[in-house]
Amino acid sequence: GNSVTQMEGPVTLSEEAFLTINCTYTATGYPSLFWYVQYPGEGLQLLLKATKADDKGSNKGFEATYRKETTSFHLEKGSVQVSDSAVYFCALKNTGNQFYFGTGTSLTVIP
Amino acid sequence: EPEVTQTPSHQVTQMGQEVILRCVPISNHLYFYWYRQILGQKVEFLVSFYNNEISEKSEIFDDQFSVERPDGSNFTLKIRSTKLEDSAMYFCASSGLAGGPTFSYEQYFGPGTRLTVT
Repeated sequence: GNSVTQMEGPVTLSEEAFLTINCTYTATGYPSLFWYVQYPGEGLQLLLKATKADDKGSNKGFEATYRKETTSFHLEKGSVQVSDSAVYFCALKNTGNQFYFGTGTSLTVIP
Repeated sequence: EPEVTQTPSHQVTQMGQEVILRCVPISNHLYFYWYRQILGQKVEFLVSFYNNEISEKSEIFDDQFSVERPDGSNFTLKIRSTKLEDSAMYFCASSGLAGGPTFSYEQYFGPGTRLTVT
């Protein structure tokens, strides 16, 4: 079946530190992969996506590369800011319309 | 920017009571969804709704659950007789712009309703 396994949190980093949040998936066929972010009191917002192997999604300094050989879609950012503090969700979409999410990783960036 | 809204933000109910969670999807979207997240667990798909009928549902979405689009703007999730294990954050989402591609890639999520069953 389809599933996503995400790095456990919470994660606390100092401003300007490097961020990696690991995400691996299980799926048949060729799913699309997503990272969503949820800021306090808000809904899940699409951060970036990749629709085929070796695609790199990027947005707001965040990047993730669709690695079919390792079934991974790790989220990275070179220098985090306090405003990046949020919960990050990895997700996949296969055939059909439903998304399969991970548990979410809470990130806190301290000045 | 258009957004999905949900009410209430927090609902407390007693076991066995009926509860209705409300959502206003983005206008001109065609697909509507409910997901839930039990504390500490994954966000789980419940149901998708298109053209006034359920298009997909998960095993979680049993006879205790129902969805409805009672008018042109609201999309509701009803739980007929709540159980303690229904306590969760419930997210509504919408996608698929009318007149656009038929696939429904990006789903736009609301802020969620936290349901507490006591």
